[in-house]
Amino acid sequence: EAGVAQSPRYKIIEKRQSVAFWCNPISGHATLYWYQQILGQGPKLLIQFQNNGVVDDSQLPKDRFSAERLKGVDSTLKIQPAKLEDSAVYLCASSLARQGAGYFGPGTRLTVT
Amino acid sequence: AQSVAQPEDQVNVAEGNPLTVKCTYSVSGNPYLFWYVQYPNRGLQFLLKYITGDNLVKGSYGFEAEFNKSQTSFHLKKPSALVSDSALYFCAVRAGAGTALIFGKGTTLSVSS
Repeated sequence: EAGVAQSPRYKIIEKRQSVAFWCNPISGHATLYWYQQILGQGPKLLIQFQNNGVVDDSQLPKDRFSAERLKGVDSTLKIQPAKLEDSAVYLCASSLARQGAGYFGPGTRLTVT
Repeated sequence: AQSVAQPEDQVNVAEGNPLTVKCTYSVSGNPYLFWYVQYPNRGLQFLLKYITGDNLVKGSYGFEAEFNKSQTSFHLKKPSALVSDSALYFCAVRAGAGTALIFGKGTTLSVSS
């Protein structure tokens, strides 16, 4: 089966610009996650969707980050405006079962200059 | 608060020797425990998980992990290390079904020939 797809793979922007990332989860996976991985750290959850509803967005900086999952499939994560500290790899993951393993996409490496 | 600790930033072993990568966790209730591996410029790959049952869990690429409830540990092991096992390893925990993965900071495994 196809894995989790993400695009773009790399993005360089200047601070105060906006950027959007796209994720297509594994077919049939109801749960979708966005994680932020800063260099040298473990991934940190930004937002979790169950179908098209938000389950957990407690660590999402809502003043600048937004995410949506239309029709319970694809998802987009947006940053507006970006800050230098947003430089990180943004990982999308999906899972089938509520206690199952998350399957991760290749990530989008964002550099904010 | 739920947390995962990986006490070693780096583990060095010689090829053919056994390896252990340590992980301890703190969650309320029964934990769901996972190990992931990350190769350079690639997403996280699922290795194995413990949900319930036998405390010794076998996973991909010859890896196994032992769940120890009294010590709140879930150490990753392999009887004979390969140079190709060199990578960044993450331990993760779910505090309950349907919750997001919480990751440790990662341990770099270096296997020398």
